[in-house]
Amino acid sequence: NAGVTQTPKFQVLKTGQSMTLQCAQDMNHNSMYWYRQDPGMGLRLIYYSASEGTTDKGEVPNGYNVSRLNKREFSLRLESAAPSQTSVYFCASSETNTGELFFGEGSRLTVL
Amino acid sequence: RKEVEQDPGPFNVPEGATVAFNCTYSNSASQSFFWYRQDCRKEPKLLMSVYSSGNEDGRFTAQLNRASQYISLLIRDSKLSDSATYLCVVNYNDYKLSFGAGTTVTVRA
Repeated sequence: NAGVTQTPKFQVLKTGQSMTLQCAQDMNHNSMYWYRQDPGMGLRLIYYSASEGTTDKGEVPNGYNVSRLNKREFSLRLESAAPSQTSVYFCASSETNTGELFFGEGSRLTVL
Repeated sequence: RKEVEQDPGPFNVPEGATVAFNCTYSNSASQSFFWYRQDCRKEPKLLMSVYSSGNEDGRFTAQLNRASQYISLLIRDSKLSDSATYLCVVNYNDYKLSFGAGTTVTVRA
């Protein structure tokens, strides 16, 4: 049971480099999300996609872009990484907008 | 002011003890409420939803107090495996859940 799969699990970047976090779910969920988690703070929503073909900003979208490639896949791109983007990133999916969130295992990103 | 606030703990309790903690939320229009569990360096997982009338799931009891804008979680007969961080989650707007920073519980033998 794969559920939500994120890659890579770990990444170290230099300031200014770009990278894309990949996320795929096999539960046929309509909604997908990208969160970041920092110490002492709750998970914060970066972007979400209510359904295939739509994306919307969350609480902290600056410095990020997303693509809902198809119903299964939702990627997060950092165009020019900054040390403030050092965080743990979680992708999640849900069947409905108020339903249970299923999370991936997380991607630990360090920006030097 | 944070939308969802939790006592970070840690709550350090012996096996078999009862532990309870609250979470306060600021938006009175909040519609649904959840507790998620997060083990160290793992992803969050849904523990239980919180219903207006309160609800139990085995040793776990969740309560909602809309008047005072808080939800609570009580764990009875604590097990070592209950050691985790418990995240309070509030939904006040479609697709936009607000997460608390979590309450850490450590159950000792």
